[in-house]
Amino acid sequence: QKEVEQDPGPLSVPEGAIVSLNCTYSNSAFQYFMWYRQYSRKGPELLMYTYSSGNKEDGRFTAQVDKSSKYISLFIRDSQPSDSATYLCASSIQGAQKLVFGQGTRLTINP
Amino acid sequence: EPEVTQTPSHQVTQMGQEVILRCVPISNHLYFYWYRQILGQKVEFLVSFYNNEISEKSEIFDDQFSVERPDGSNFTLKIRSTKLEDSAMYFCATAPYNEQFFGPGTRLTVL
Repeated sequence: QKEVEQDPGPLSVPEGAIVSLNCTYSNSAFQYFMWYRQYSRKGPELLMYTYSSGNKEDGRFTAQVDKSSKYISLFIRDSQPSDSATYLCASSIQGAQKLVFGQGTRLTINP
Repeated sequence: EPEVTQTPSHQVTQMGQEVILRCVPISNHLYFYWYRQILGQKVEFLVSFYNNEISEKSEIFDDQFSVERPDGSNFTLKIRSTKLEDSAMYFCATAPYNEQFFGPGTRLTVL
């Protein structure tokens, strides 16, 4: 079983829509959860970082972690064409330890 | 805003040759990592480095690979006797503790 699973998409939505991106994980020891945005042939850019369960909001982005169901979500409000990228979820057991990544979901926001 | 930098951006080498990939971490970060991403695949952990020694390494990181911090600023990944399957994007990441910030990557092409 893969440790972190993510639907690769592609996902295409109109500008202004609310986008929901999701991951599941199998390792109950994961405590740290991150979302990265990656443009084509570029490095992953850290968007959101959460510890354990709960919600975290930063501007148009909200990250949710439900440890009981091992489910990680990222919501993007008022989506913009510039949000078009691949979104990667990642988890680690302890702080400063290796990140385990999902496959990434390719998102396109259509003007 | 401080960034992780990597050189070269693209390295082409012949099979069997040695390559050195370089990274300049963000200045106050203490934890350093190398990841790789084969085209179309997940980002994979290779090695983590803290306090001038390897703290964790993956199965991929065998005797062909080595890391060092030769001058207290640069962080390098050496790949000896490159193979065709080493062709990938190699990302350096650095962290003050939990949040890992990635560089733009070095695209390694082994011919």
